Amino acid sequence: QKEVEQNSGPLSVPEGAIASLNCTYSDRGSQSFFWYRQYSGKSPELIMSIYSNGDKEDGRFTAQLNKASQYVSLLIRDSQPSDSATYLCAVNTPPGAGSYQLTFGKGTKLSVIP
Amino acid sequence: DAGVIQSPRHEVTEMGQEVTLRCKPISGHDYLFWYRQTMMRGLELLIYFNNNVPIDDSGMPEDRFSAKMPNASFSTLKIQPSEPRDSAVYFCASRELGVETQYFGPGTRLLVL
Repeated sequence: QKEVEQNSGPLSVPEGAIASLNCTYSDRGSQSFFWYRQYSGKSPELIMSIYSNGDKEDGRFTAQLNKASQYVSLLIRDSQPSDSATYLCAVNTPPGAGSYQLTFGKGTKLSVIP
Repeated sequence: DAGVIQSPRHEVTEMGQEVTLRCKPISGHDYLFWYRQTMMRGLELLIYFNNNVPIDDSGMPEDRFSAKMPNASFSTLKIQPSEPRDSAVYFCASRELGVETQYFGPGTRLLVL
């Protein structure tokens, strides 16, 4: 059973602070990792993807991957109230080539306080 | 492109009734996914299609659920008969071959009374 675990939160941070969101996964064969943002009542939208160990930066967002520890994180610098949403971690563990199924965590709710 | 289109956006029905959810994927996308989201279980994959062919339906909860994709631009998810525990948000998503990014539709909020 493939599992993706996230702290459900809520995680509250003041405006301008760094928000740190964490995710662990169970299947060592996992190859691709994604962070989706979901505003209340809306659909998930992709904000970051990461495929190799280390950091990947995109604007105020940094994704970090450590395959040895089976750990993925998302850092949001200079947090804004508009970042308040639920963040879903998703992992792709194809059983064979080309499966491309995503397993999602239940999400961490982030609240940025003005 | 209009993105993934789902209808209806909201559905309220009574237990025992048939429910049909519809999805139009992004043009040119080869894969279509049906998900269900609840507070308790999060976002769960129900079934996905590649080039209109069902590839993995292991997430379909029981025989009351069925999905079809008669052509590249249309898919349905049917629940018959519906039960209160089927109440959830159902999302359709699509992606193109060779690209792992999935694009989600706005979802259908289903309430079974």
